[in-house]
Amino acid sequence: GAGVSQSPSNKVTEKGKDVELRCDPISGHTALYWYRQRLGQGLEFLIYFQGNSAPDKSGLPSDRFSAERTGESVSTLTIQRTQQEDSAVYLCASSPQGNYYSYEQYFGPGTRLTVT
Amino acid sequence: AQSVTQLGSHVSVSEGALVLLRCNYSSSVPPYLFWYVQYPNQGLQLLLKYTSAATLVKGINGFEAEFKKSETSFHLTKPSAHMSDAAEYFCAVSFISGAGSYQLTFGKGTKLSVIP
Repeated sequence: GAGVSQSPSNKVTEKGKDVELRCDPISGHTALYWYRQRLGQGLEFLIYFQGNSAPDKSGLPSDRFSAERTGESVSTLTIQRTQQEDSAVYLCASSPQGNYYSYEQYFGPGTRLTVT
Repeated sequence: AQSVTQLGSHVSVSEGALVLLRCNYSSSVPPYLFWYVQYPNQGLQLLLKYTSAATLVKGINGFEAEFKKSETSFHLTKPSAHMSDAAEYFCAVSFISGAGSYQLTFGKGTKLSVIP
């Protein structure tokens, strides 16, 4: 079956512009996570969705970052007024449920964001 | 707070040699541990996971890892390296946040090179 997909695969934007990154999770997966991978760093958790609700936004680095999920499916991560430090690979992962006992997180290929 | 340390950002082995990638964790509760592999321009793929069952965990592609509580380690091994094993490997620990997400905390990754 189809895995997690993300679009665009690459995005180059000018400092100060807004960008939207899209994630299509595996059909039926209720849990969705966004992570950020900066050069030379591990992955950092950004936000967690269970259904369309985001009970954990603790990883969002500033109020320029926001995300939404609709139809318990597609999620969009929006970065406003982009800064050069936002340059990173943004990864989305989905999981059938919120708990880890039986289900691991399935990752998409990521969106590489470059802010010039 | 949970954390993961991967020793060695870059490891080189000869084809056919033993692969050993080191991971130590810090966790205030019994951890659930994972190894992921990332090939160039691809998302993360789960290699194996430890969820408090057997301490020796076997994964895909001939990899295995042993959970050692006394050493707070979860090192990844493979008896004989193949060229196709060249990739970046991430160790991660899962914990439940106060808001109920089972987010992953990752190490910074180890890039494995296999020399023919």
